[in-house]
Amino acid sequence: EVQLVGSGGGLVQPGGSLRLSCAASGFTFSDFDLHWVREVTGKGLEWLSSIDITGDTYYPGSVKGRFTVSRDNVKNSLYLHMDSLKAGDTAVYYCARSRTFCRGGSCPFDYWGQGTLVTVSS
Amino acid sequence: YVLTQPPSVSVAPGKTARLTCGGNNLGRKSVHWYQLRPGQAPVLVISYDTDRPSGIPERFSGSNSGNTATLTISRVEAGDEADYFCQVWDRSSDQPHVFGTGTKVTVL
Repeated sequence: EVQLVGSGGGLVQPGGSLRLSCAASGFTFSDFDLHWVREVTGKGLEWLSSIDITGDTYYPGSVKGRFTVSRDNVKNSLYLHMDSLKAGDTAVYYCARSRTFCRGGSCPFDYWGQGTLVTVSS
Repeated sequence: YVLTQPPSVSVAPGKTARLTCGGNNLGRKSVHWYQLRPGQAPVLVISYDTDRPSGIPERFSGSNSGNTATLTISRVEAGDEADYFCQVWDRSSDQPHVFGTGTKVTVL
C-alpha cells in the first residue's frame, strides 16, 4: 500500500525556519517525482516545490530562495526546508508523488500525505 | 493561468452534483480533480479529464471541452461532502502546477 506520511509541522515565530519531512513506503521511491503543496484556509491549494527523479528542483517565484526541497532515496524521504517564514505561510502542508513521464507532460499527483500544520505566529 | 471554480455547491443525497472548472482554452489541457476531506490526505478522483483511478466509484466522472471542465458526482452520498479542486499543468507558467479555487460540496 502506497503511503506518504508528513511530519515536522508546528508553531514557529515569524522569521524562523522549519523542516518538514515526508516518509514514503509501498512503492519504489526513486522512480517518482515528489512535490509539496499547501492549503491556506480559505485560499485553496498552492504548489510549492517539486523534485524529480534526477534531483532537479522547481519552485514558484513566491517561495524561491526561501524554500528548499530535497530527497533521500535511501531513507525514502522527502524534505522541505523553509526559511524566513511569514504569517502568510501558515497552512497545512502536503507531500505528494507523481509519475515522471506522463501523457502530454501533465502528471497528476496520484498519492498524497495527510498533511502537517505549520503555524507562523509570535 | 487561472482556474475558476464556484465556491460552493449544495446537493441532496441521491442527486447529481456538477462541479465546474473554468479556464482559457481549458479543453486543450488535461484536467485532474482532487477531493479534500478535513484531516485526510487528498485523493485523486479524476485524471486526464475523464479517467477514474482504481478505487474511485463509478459515480465520479469528468469531462472537458472549450473553456470548462466538469466533475460530475452521481447518486451523491454523505461521504462525498468535501472540497474539490481541479488542476492543470501549464508548462509556460512560473507556477506550472495550477490549482483551481476549489468548490465546497455540501450534502443536504
